[in-house]
Amino acid sequence: GENVEQHPSTLSVQEGDSAVIKCTYSDSASNYFPWYKQELGKGPQLIIDIRSNVGEKKDQRIAVTLNKTAKHFSLHITETQPEDSAVYFCASPLNQAGTALIFGKGTTLSVSS
Amino acid sequence: GAVVSQHPSRVICKSGTSVKIECRSLDFQATTMFWYRQFPKQSLMLMATSNEGSKATYEQGVEKDKFLINHASLTLSTLTVTSAHPEDSSFYICSAIRGWSNEQFFGPGTRLTVL
Repeated sequence: GENVEQHPSTLSVQEGDSAVIKCTYSDSASNYFPWYKQELGKGPQLIIDIRSNVGEKKDQRIAVTLNKTAKHFSLHITETQPEDSAVYFCASPLNQAGTALIFGKGTTLSVSS
Repeated sequence: GAVVSQHPSRVICKSGTSVKIECRSLDFQATTMFWYRQFPKQSLMLMATSNEGSKATYEQGVEKDKFLINHASLTLSTLTVTSAHPEDSSFYICSAIRGWSNEQFFGPGTRLTVL
């Protein structure tokens, strides 16, 4: 089955700086990589995802890059704002049989003004 | 679009009682829903996969007789925690798959506290 490692566990940046969170996966057959943002006491919110047939995807200040050879994908947040402070989780398909996800351990991002 | 709701948002119950949590996809039909458990400052752990019209598939280590899942319709799945104990206190979150894509949309979660 799949295994997902996420780094760093915590990340503190100044407002306006960029933030990068990286995840590695083990199953070379994995083909879908979403990123979720979770605010305290709430459910995770899908913020961006990428499929294995592309290398990069952007949505305003958020981008995700995928390196299939190295089996890692990264979340990039530019021009960070205090409201970006949250826990971010990467995920990957648990196995090839279904659509269940396995999550990384999460990164707590703190953006100070 | 792609809104998933959960009810209740929080519940406190006595040890030994049963608690039912509902998960609804409000604006789409979901043949597959998932139930996760999240302990404080930890990641989401998949408990089970709920398929409409069939039995749920439980992950290793999750007791199917304790966590009863019913996916009665394309918009509703329920999780019943039977004979709850304090160690079952956690944040329970459901998610639903929209259409035939991999996209999972999560509910707001249910905070269960067992006294």
